[in-house]
Amino acid sequence: AQRVTQPEKLLSVFKGAPVELKCNYSYSGSPELFWYVQYSRQRLQLLLRHISRESIKGFTADLNKGETSFHLKKPFAQEEDSAMYYCALSAPIKAAGNKLTFGGGTRVLVKP
Amino acid sequence: NAGVTQTPKFQVLKTGQSMTLQCAQDMNHEYMSWYRQDPGMGLRLIHYSVGAGITDQGEVPNGYNVSRSTTEDFPLRLLSAAPSQTSVYFCASRQTGQAFSGANVLTFGAGSRLTVL
Repeated sequence: AQRVTQPEKLLSVFKGAPVELKCNYSYSGSPELFWYVQYSRQRLQLLLRHISRESIKGFTADLNKGETSFHLKKPFAQEEDSAMYYCALSAPIKAAGNKLTFGGGTRVLVKP
Repeated sequence: NAGVTQTPKFQVLKTGQSMTLQCAQDMNHEYMSWYRQDPGMGLRLIHYSVGAGITDQGEVPNGYNVSRSTTEDFPLRLLSAAPSQTSVYFCASRQTGQAFSGANVLTFGAGSRLTVL
């Protein structure tokens, strides 16, 4: 079974401080991993995915297969980063429908 | 290009009533899914479909039915609503492609907030 755990329900940081959102997963194979974000009054949208290895809005995430983690980091948080963040895992088996499993979410509040 | 459209945006039901949440997408996505979002529990998969005529259960399917008669539509039915089904429901779709192809990115609807009294 695939499972995603986000241990922090709420992260409160000051503007300009670093922020790290933790994500741990359990899956026996090689999954695809994603971070989705939901800003206030907006739809859930993709922030980044591990296969692209890119930085989006200053955020990066590294897949650590040894620790089964995919933590999201930003060195200098901005007020516009305040949102709900979800880590998600997709099993890359087409026969299984590639269903996406989400973690419980972490709410980030960036204070001025 | 409307993307994923959900209706209604808000609904209040009494226990035992039935209703259907509608979801339509115009991106020719094969994969469609329904999630419920509850505080502290994140997004939980209810049902999903990999194409017309094919549906399967997710993590929390009890109390919900789905069908997929066309590629575009994926309605979610509550046959006898219960207070435990009070939640925000999201429909999402994506292409189905090769693993790690980048096609596996969900497009979400705006959500439907359901309250069962």
